[in-house]
Amino acid sequence: DGGITQSPKYLFRKEGQNVTLSCEQNLNHDAMYWYRQDPGQGLRLIYYSQIVNDFQKGDIAEGYSVSREKKESFPLTVTSAQKNPTAFYLCASSRALAGPRNEQFFGPGTRLTVL
Amino acid sequence: GESVGLHLPTLSVQEGDNSIINCAYSNSASDYFIWYKQESGKGPQFIIDIRSNMDKRQGQRVTVLLNKTVKHLSLQIAATQPGDSAVYFCAELAGTALIFGKGTTLSVSS
Repeated sequence: DGGITQSPKYLFRKEGQNVTLSCEQNLNHDAMYWYRQDPGQGLRLIYYSQIVNDFQKGDIAEGYSVSREKKESFPLTVTSAQKNPTAFYLCASSRALAGPRNEQFFGPGTRLTVL
Repeated sequence: GESVGLHLPTLSVQEGDNSIINCAYSNSASDYFIWYKQESGKGPQFIIDIRSNMDKRQGQRVTVLLNKTVKHLSLQIAATQPGDSAVYFCAELAGTALIFGKGTTLSVSS
């Protein structure tokens, strides 16, 4: 999985609770991303970060929050405001944000289930 | 919304056959495309990429073809093996973000 770790692999949450998903990379990449994947669907971008202390909303940021205090870490918080949080969450990183050869390396994913 | 899609959600082949997975994109300004392979319960893995100034690029057992006239991308897998069974996604670089298609599930039977 290219030096990106996500934990935990499986996560269960009760409705109304916030939960934070971990993503760490040791690739010295500047850019990091969070995607959501639903069954039979492609990846949808939640948030991305080009550099430490900076992040931008993706296509489906509502109900999520992120922080980028360290280059290696990009945690995602799924808040109680997210109406349908059950999904497979994927973290990725790349050397830079834009341009060809911007290969994104993905972590193994966290499957979040809301009970 | 997504601008990248795949023609077929599933593809079943016999071991040893060649597989062709197709993808259509709508953003003519996209200049970089990637194919990813995702096995069940895992994150996507990079297979091969191609820049818009190329029509064809070959890797080990895989070839990507790009037809900019009709905005079509394909992934060819030679001598498909059971280990190739997975979901395959194409992605296009539109500005600074990768846009992913919905994926094609490839099933390889022995």
